[in-house]
Amino acid sequence: DSGVTQTPKHLITATGQRVTLRCSPRSGDLSVYWYQQSLDQGLQFLIQYYNGEERAKGNILERFSAQQFPDLHSELNLSSLELGDSALYFCASSGTGDTYNEQFFGPGTRLTVL
Amino acid sequence: AQSVTQLDSQVPVFEEAPVELRCNYSSSVSVYLFWYVQYPNQGLQLLLKYLSGSTLVKGINGFEAEFNKSQTSFHLRKPSVHISDTAEYFCAVSNTGTASKLTFGTGTRLQVTL
Repeated sequence: DSGVTQTPKHLITATGQRVTLRCSPRSGDLSVYWYQQSLDQGLQFLIQYYNGEERAKGNILERFSAQQFPDLHSELNLSSLELGDSALYFCASSGTGDTYNEQFFGPGTRLTVL
Repeated sequence: AQSVTQLDSQVPVFEEAPVELRCNYSSSVSVYLFWYVQYPNQGLQLLLKYLSGSTLVKGINGFEAEFNKSQTSFHLRKPSVHISDTAEYFCAVSNTGTASKLTFGTGTRLQVTL
């Protein structure tokens, strides 16, 4: 158990809909990262937040957005969903001190768009 | 930009045999290197990491990896595999310094059989 939690575990929805994925980082970790894992694109970095501020952006579509709240949990919002958005979405967190460079991954949210 | 190449998409091996999973990276700056393992329907777990210092890094579950700067490689090895090592293995890089995103390779499926 990495200490990172993600909800829901599975999500099935229809094209055009909007969903919200939630992530709680390990206690004390300030950085949260979102990754997408799909068969055709592999594991891709989407976005990083550090203590509530956006730190880095990767291959994140304009239909996707994220935020990190004062309690450090994060949400990834996916809107106008398309079939190609079906994937496993991972959240990871990293802390300070000796393990600042190590990311701890949650179990993921499997999104299926029908 | 950084990239990671995992040359083998699948590696079949018999139990108790040695195995090497290959990883090469490309980067114009210094990097940290990681190997993660993903068991079916689970998140990613860190096996080992290279930050600096000794080029031979030991990780969990008997795995080790060697950083070779001249060949820009970070191959993962285990002298004797077990059935339970069957999983997907991902090599990843990140910038040094502050916590930053991971760039992953496409993964290698290690299949251990009796």
